Amino acid sequence: DGGITQSPKYLFRKEGQNVTLSCEQNLNHDAMYWYRQDPGQGLRLIYYSQIVNDFQKGDIAEGYSVSREKKESFPLTVTSAQKNPTAFYLCASSIDGRGDRRTQYFGPGTRLLVL
Amino acid sequence: EDQVTQSPEALRLQEGESSSLNCSYTVSGLRGLFWYRQDPGKGPEFLFTLYSAGEEKEKERLKATLTKKESFLHITAPKPEDSATYLCAVQASGGYQKVTFGIGTKLQVIP
Repeated sequence: DGGITQSPKYLFRKEGQNVTLSCEQNLNHDAMYWYRQDPGQGLRLIYYSQIVNDFQKGDIAEGYSVSREKKESFPLTVTSAQKNPTAFYLCASSIDGRGDRRTQYFGPGTRLLVL
Repeated sequence: EDQVTQSPEALRLQEGESSSLNCSYTVSGLRGLFWYRQDPGKGPEFLFTLYSAGEEKEKERLKATLTKKESFLHITAPKPEDSATYLCAVQASGGYQKVTFGIGTKLQVIP
């Protein structure tokens, strides 16, 4: 079955620690995205990548970093510089950004908690 | 700045009681309007994409419509399994074509 997988489902971060969230897709999509979801707020874009080896900052990129070395993978690192990391993190992908191909499909999410 | 406002924030229906969810938007050139369903603790599940005013799409008990300023998600004879949060999002034209999400409407269908 084609889809998007995220791991782990739950992640605990200690103070000063960097953690990495995994996102893999086998849909052969070019574009991938990371969002953060907090209670009472809409999804907010952290980073996006429209093609391998290229990515752009979204609205709330401070304290986060990404890489896109393979088409199917877009890992997100939450660094110690992110002072309020507790949230539900969602990865999404789309065929690309054009026409009917811009619909984004989401993974199951990773909940990050701070110890 | 692009904005999406969904109403009501929460809606409680009896099983079989039809209703509509509203999504009002302001965007600098609409490229697409999306509806998603999200269950607690899970990622959003794609429902519909609408591109232009007057367009309608249906799936089982759900029907989405679009005007120049808002979209409605009509739920006909809902069942308890339709209980979820429904998210609306818009994509603007130009550049990256950013997607802006609303906060959602939490729907509860009582048996």
